[in-house]
Amino acid sequence: EAGVVQSPRYKIIEKKQPVAFWCNPISGHNTLYWYRQNLGQGPELLIRYENEEAVDDSQLPKDRFSAERLKGVDSTLKIQPAELGDSAVYLCASSLVGGITDTQYFGPGTRLTVL
Amino acid sequence: AQRVTQPEKLLSVFKGAPVELKCNYSYSGSPELFWYVQYSRQRLQLLLRHISRESIKGFTADLNKGETSFHLKKPFAQEEDSAMYYCALVTGNQFYFGTGTSLTVIP
Repeated sequence: EAGVVQSPRYKIIEKKQPVAFWCNPISGHNTLYWYRQNLGQGPELLIRYENEEAVDDSQLPKDRFSAERLKGVDSTLKIQPAELGDSAVYLCASSLVGGITDTQYFGPGTRLTVL
Repeated sequence: AQRVTQPEKLLSVFKGAPVELKCNYSYSGSPELFWYVQYSRQRLQLLLRHISRESIKGFTADLNKGETSFHLKKPFAQEEDSAMYYCALVTGNQFYFGTGTSLTVIP
């Protein structure tokens, strides 16, 4: 079992460029989370999906961030255009059943550097 | 507003000594609290949750509603406990992590 898979692992872009991150959750996990973790901080929840429905995206900066989870399996998080302050690690997690209190299984993260 | 406070960014203890990682939360309702851990070069993973009242790897954490705390404790630290520890809180539909404490156990 590979666990939660994320790609790419590292991404370096110039500001104003678009970037996308991909996440494949553990097979059978209905709930998928995207987090952003700034240096020296804890993860910050951006969006949570129950199957293909975004049940909470209140922390997602909607002017430049978007996410989708087509067919309720893998998910893509996009930033367009990227800003210097978007440099962070973007974590994906999944859990088996619905409810935000279920055990979350994290991926390795994508480290984004915006120059 | 900071929902979860972990006052110590760095904590060092000697092997065999007791360890306590502090966590305070801000929430007026009934909280659900967790400790997540990230070992070097590994993924973030759940260590324990208060509702289970279990001991994992010798760690325990007791919810103190009066002090709004959920400190993580272990009576005898081991070198393999060296890691980054995050306290986390669920309020309604949101999940909040603290800023983390990096624990180093000195041999």
